[in-house]
Amino acid sequence: GENVEQHPSTLSVQEGDSAVIKCTYSDSASNYFPWYKQELGKGPQLIIDIRSNVGEKKDQRIAVTLNKTAKHFSLHITETQPEDSAVYFCAASRGSSYKLIFGSGTRLLVRP
Amino acid sequence: DGGITQSPKYLFRKEGQNVTLSCEQNLNHDAMYWYRQDPGQGLRLIYYSQIVNDFQKGDIAEGYSVSREKKESFPLTVTSAQKNPTAFYLCASSAGWETQYFGPGTRLLVL
Repeated sequence: GENVEQHPSTLSVQEGDSAVIKCTYSDSASNYFPWYKQELGKGPQLIIDIRSNVGEKKDQRIAVTLNKTAKHFSLHITETQPEDSAVYFCAASRGSSYKLIFGSGTRLLVRP
Repeated sequence: DGGITQSPKYLFRKEGQNVTLSCEQNLNHDAMYWYRQDPGQGLRLIYYSQIVNDFQKGDIAEGYSVSREKKESFPLTVTSAQKNPTAFYLCASSAGWETQYFGPGTRLLVL
């Protein structure tokens, strides 16, 4: 079945460093890839998304890259700040399906 | 102020009891979703509805039921058949099939 694998499960970085989270999807028909940030006890918030006709998208300190051939997509956070500490989830969906398949999450800790 | 609201924030269930979680949105979105999140894990889809009066089972629908009588409301009932209901329940909505926006969640605990 459809599957999204996410790595690493935990990531600790020094404030100001970059953080990279990687996801691999199994369904080659997937064409929409959102990233969510979830703070403790709250619902996930969409931070950036990318569609399969684009290889890279940036929004200030956040960027997402997509490699359709390898079925990989990655989240890049530059100049990390303590408020970036949270759990990050990747997801994928195919065609006009309403179903998002989520990765298992990455707990990011930014050390001051 | 547009958004998705979920109530209550915390809910306690006794053995053999059905409980209903509320989800309301004023974003005028056609589609709504219910997810379950267990500690340290990702989100798993319980039910979703693309349009009023229609809904489909997700990956873990057993022990749950939903209704979609109004566009803005998508309540989830956790029945007594759900033997392990303790989890964080998240409701989401979307205008089409892509971007989903989440509510603040309801934490369900079993007494």
